[in-house]
Amino acid sequence: QSALTQPASVSGSPGQSITISCTGTSSDVGGYKYVSWYQQHPGKAPKLMIREVSNRPSGVSNRFSGSKSGNTASLTISGLQAEDEADYYCSSYTSNITPVFGGGTRLTVL
Amino acid sequence: EVQLVESGGGWVQPGGSLRLSCAASGFTFSSYWMTWVRQAPGIGLEWVANMNQDGSKRYYVDSVKGRFTISRDNAKNSLYLQMNSLRVEDTAVYYCARDGGWYAHDFWGQGTLVSVSS
Repeated sequence: QSALTQPASVSGSPGQSITISCTGTSSDVGGYKYVSWYQQHPGKAPKLMIREVSNRPSGVSNRFSGSKSGNTASLTISGLQAEDEADYYCSSYTSNITPVFGGGTRLTVL
Repeated sequence: EVQLVESGGGWVQPGGSLRLSCAASGFTFSSYWMTWVRQAPGIGLEWVANMNQDGSKRYYVDSVKGRFTISRDNAKNSLYLQMNSLRVEDTAVYYCARDGGWYAHDFWGQGTLVSVSS
């Protein structure tokens, strides 16, 4: 199973909104509603930010939102803050009954 | 408070073996699928293996099939990963994670580093 495709990096200024894409196929992202997004700060464990495409776990800021269209899922962060600077990974259930991660996107807050 | 604490990492030569452990607390361990995820230095996340609640279902990424074995002991609230025939490319931080449903991993340990080199 090939990794999902994410942009290597995105950037934005404080207060702006950014969107990170996650492109797969009909065998993963496009075929199921089980896409998750994780935030990882350097040297730390990943943190679940979005589950099942668009659901925020308890405690996650409502500045984070998720969506999906066809084979591409997206994570949008509004009102960018310095603390949002981190790596972001998408993940999807696949037809192999196993999950696959994206390659990760480094978010820089300018 | 949910806690996952990995142990057992270290340095090993190619071809060697290691057994990772993950001690779980703060939730009903026997009610959840559990997962191992790894991250090579400077690289992204890679799902390695997972197991269902009673251990009757186990799945592995192709690159570790036949070499790694995931197991659990619900009486001890512990998850394990037996790693044999280790390769240089297995070098990574290994995370234990709870599957909160449909591969949404809602709690993660701090990770344990496995370094394979000669």
